[in-house]
Amino acid sequence: DTEVTQTPKHLVMGMTNKKSLKCEQHMGHRAMYWYKQKAKKPPELMFVYSYEKLSINESVPSRFSPECPNSSLLNLHLHALQPEDSALYLCASSQDFSRSYNEQFFGPGTRLTVL
Amino acid sequence: GIQVEQSPPDLILQEGANSTLRCNFSDSVNNLQWFHQNPWGQLINLFYIPSGTKQNGRLSATTVATERYSLLYISSSQTTDSGVYFCAATGNQFYFGTGTSLTVIP
Repeated sequence: DTEVTQTPKHLVMGMTNKKSLKCEQHMGHRAMYWYKQKAKKPPELMFVYSYEKLSINESVPSRFSPECPNSSLLNLHLHALQPEDSALYLCASSQDFSRSYNEQFFGPGTRLTVL
Repeated sequence: GIQVEQSPPDLILQEGANSTLRCNFSDSVNNLQWFHQNPWGQLINLFYIPSGTKQNGRLSATTVATERYSLLYISSSQTTDSGVYFCAATGNQFYFGTGTSLTVIP
């Protein structure tokens, strides 16, 4: 099974709301990633978890809070977002984060709109 | 970080035509992937190709790591090939290219 799932597919939230994005993989991968993609731009890396520990945080504002409860799940908690945070949020996983085994597989994304 | 540039940025093809997309990277990389992003945003893995040549149906890819580039060939294009094609290189991190937007017209 080479599938990464994400929920919800679409999310509309106000600037005072708290919401969470969820990502799940059952490929036995030990690295998971969050990306943000604005229209007509490439995905931008936000966070990397390796063996359930946060390995990379690309200077993401604290209103985005990642969580990796176990090796199959990755959450992104959202609080007090701004309209400019509206984007497609993509989750990915890879076998690990070493140089040799990091072919990434992506989920379908969550399209977030902040009003 | 590594800079990854793709060309051309935009491409319009008649159905049935062939095309070559290029990906240049500024430093040595460990791995390289090609993706197709469909209109719904899903990134579909096309090739995982740190070096050499691979083929999958009408698509093939070649990476020459020593010269820091990779090529994606699309033959006999179909309207379903439309979308954005990204290459992504791995150094000490994962770097996406600038993308090529392909439109195939019937």
